[in-house]
Amino acid sequence: RKEVEQDPGPFNVPEGATVAFNCTYSNSASQSFFWYRQDCRKEPKLLMSVYSSGNEDGRFTAQLNRASQYISLLIRDSKLSDSATYLCVVNINTGRRALTFGSGTRLQVQP
Amino acid sequence: DVKVTQSSRYLVKRTGEKVFLECVQDMDHENMFWYRQDPGLGLRLIYFSYDVKMKEKGDIPEGYSVSREKKERFSLILESASTNQTSMYLCASSLLGIEQFFGPGTRLTVL
Repeated sequence: RKEVEQDPGPFNVPEGATVAFNCTYSNSASQSFFWYRQDCRKEPKLLMSVYSSGNEDGRFTAQLNRASQYISLLIRDSKLSDSATYLCVVNINTGRRALTFGSGTRLQVQP
Repeated sequence: DVKVTQSSRYLVKRTGEKVFLECVQDMDHENMFWYRQDPGLGLRLIYFSYDVKMKEKGDIPEGYSVSREKKERFSLILESASTNQTSMYLCASSLLGIEQFFGPGTRLTVL
């Protein structure tokens, strides 16, 4: 079983739609959670951290459910520029400073 | 802005060659990482370093070694390249081990 699992998609949505991605993680000792965004043929970049209380950044909302061990990302009013792969990322605090990445969910926003 | 640079964007090598991939960061970050990214598998950690001359194995270190002689530079070495090492290689750095900043990647093809 992968440590971080995501639906690979693609999610094809029209402009203006609301879309949600989920991600599950297997290690209950996981401490920190993030969403990274990766554009085609580019490097990943931090989109937002995910806090226990949930957090919002403009059109993006991230939530964490520790009991069920999943993280979600909601994108409202999708833009063409939101088309990318969204990586769910977890820090399993075993003393390592490394992150564990999901394989990503691809979003394609269509005009 | 944090800048992470990698020595090559594209590299073609032959089986059995020794390959050096160089990564340089300009933000005085202590932590540096090497990942490979393959379709459907996401980013997998090869090695990381949390200080000069310090290194730790990641999830898939076999066939690779690393060198960190200076804080800003982290090198990945393929002692004898094989076709199954054809991949996208991404270097990253971080200060506190949370947000990681990635280089543009090196697409390595081993023939």
